[in-house]
Amino acid sequence: DAGVIQSPRHEVTEMGQEVTLRCKPISGHNSLFWYRQTMMRGLELLIYFNNNVPIDDSGMPEDRFSAKMPNASFSTLKIQPSEPRDSAVYFCASSGPTGAYSPLHFGNGTRLTVT
Amino acid sequence: DQQVKQNSPSLSVQEGRISILNCDYTNSMFDYFLWYKKYPAEGPTFLISISSIKDKNEDGRFTVFLNKSAKHLSLHIVPSQPGDSAVYFCAASATGTASKLTFGTGTRLQVTL
Repeated sequence: DAGVIQSPRHEVTEMGQEVTLRCKPISGHNSLFWYRQTMMRGLELLIYFNNNVPIDDSGMPEDRFSAKMPNASFSTLKIQPSEPRDSAVYFCASSGPTGAYSPLHFGNGTRLTVT
Repeated sequence: DQQVKQNSPSLSVQEGRISILNCDYTNSMFDYFLWYKKYPAEGPTFLISISSIKDKNEDGRFTVFLNKSAKHLSLHIVPSQPGDSAVYFCAASATGTASKLTFGTGTRLQVTL
């Protein structure tokens, strides 16, 4: 199993530009999560999907952030326009339908730097 | 409001000794707790978990203890090895939103020779 695949691994962009982060979950997993890691707040849940449907987006910081899951094998997190305070590591994770407490499997993250 | 708190940002332990990482939570609805381990440039990986119906769970060198009355859990690593050097995240979830994990800020463990 290839695990959760995220792209790009690093993204450097200028303030005001649009940024799109991509994620391919583990095949067969039906839940997908987007987290953001910062030094001050640790890992924050931004949004999660179950069976491709957004269930909870209360962690999305503001309207500049949007996420989609058009099918079971792909998701995107978009920031438009980006700001320097969005600089962080963004993780995608997936979990399978093996029970209520199926552990999350994380990708290796996308390190975003907004200058 | 940080519902899961790891108050020690870092910890240094000698190889062979016990490492104890602590975590406190404030939400009484949390009933399932997990520890994740993270190496640099990698995503967190699941380490061990415990349900609120237990007060201890053991897996090899790793043991998690839960004190529900104090809303406190700890991860013990015995004996500590250099490969254990990583950032450890505590996480919690509540019944009904089992997949939604709330993480702490992490504790960086360094195991020295």
